[in-house]
Amino acid sequence: KAGVTQTPRYLIKTRGQQVTLSCSPISGHRSVSWYQQTPGQGLQFLFEYFSETQRNKGNFPGRFSGRQFSNSRSEMNVSTLELGDSALYLCASSGLTFRDRDAGANVLTFGAGSRLTVL
Amino acid sequence: QKEVEQNSGPLSVPEGAIASLNCTYSDRGSQSFFWYRQYSGKSPELIMFIYSNGDKEDGRFTAQLNKASQYVSLLIRDSQPSDSATYLCAVRAGGGTSYGKLTFGQGTILTVHP
Repeated sequence: KAGVTQTPRYLIKTRGQQVTLSCSPISGHRSVSWYQQTPGQGLQFLFEYFSETQRNKGNFPGRFSGRQFSNSRSEMNVSTLELGDSALYLCASSGLTFRDRDAGANVLTFGAGSRLTVL
Repeated sequence: QKEVEQNSGPLSVPEGAIASLNCTYSDRGSQSFFWYRQYSGKSPELIMFIYSNGDKEDGRFTAQLNKASQYVSLLIRDSQPSDSATYLCAVRAGGGTSYGKLTFGQGTILTVHP
């Protein structure tokens, strides 16, 4: 079973540019969440999508946006990039794991991440 | 007060010892608790989750939850050098259906030395 796939893995942008990151969830998973990870702030929740609808949003400025397509693939966009946006952006998909199908815990499985550097 | 706090590291233990990682959370309504392991340069991978008070064991790992004390811990028995990583405690709030939102602690760096 394929895992969560994120593209691109690495990218370098300059201030003021915009960037789009892509995430393909585990087959059958309908929930996709995005997180930002930085050394100073750790892992912070950006937003979650389920069936093409944003279900929850973290405390990030409006420059951060996302969407989900009918096949559950998701994209996030950051406009007018700032130096502080340099981070590892992680996508996670949610669904019952094979081992814990009765647990109801809906664990998150993370992709490898997209490392963004803003110069 | 941070929503999820982990014992500050780094934590260093000898091979074969028990490593104890602790986490406290502020939201009493939290319902699900997760431990992730993150190797340097990699993404977090799930070790265990727990949602009922008490202990949950999986191989060398034991998660302990005490909702009254708002405390969750992870014990690693027979620690191996391959366990050296950052351990992240994560909490999911109760209610609603937003399964994708977890609040993470800052992580504890564990080093297991031979």
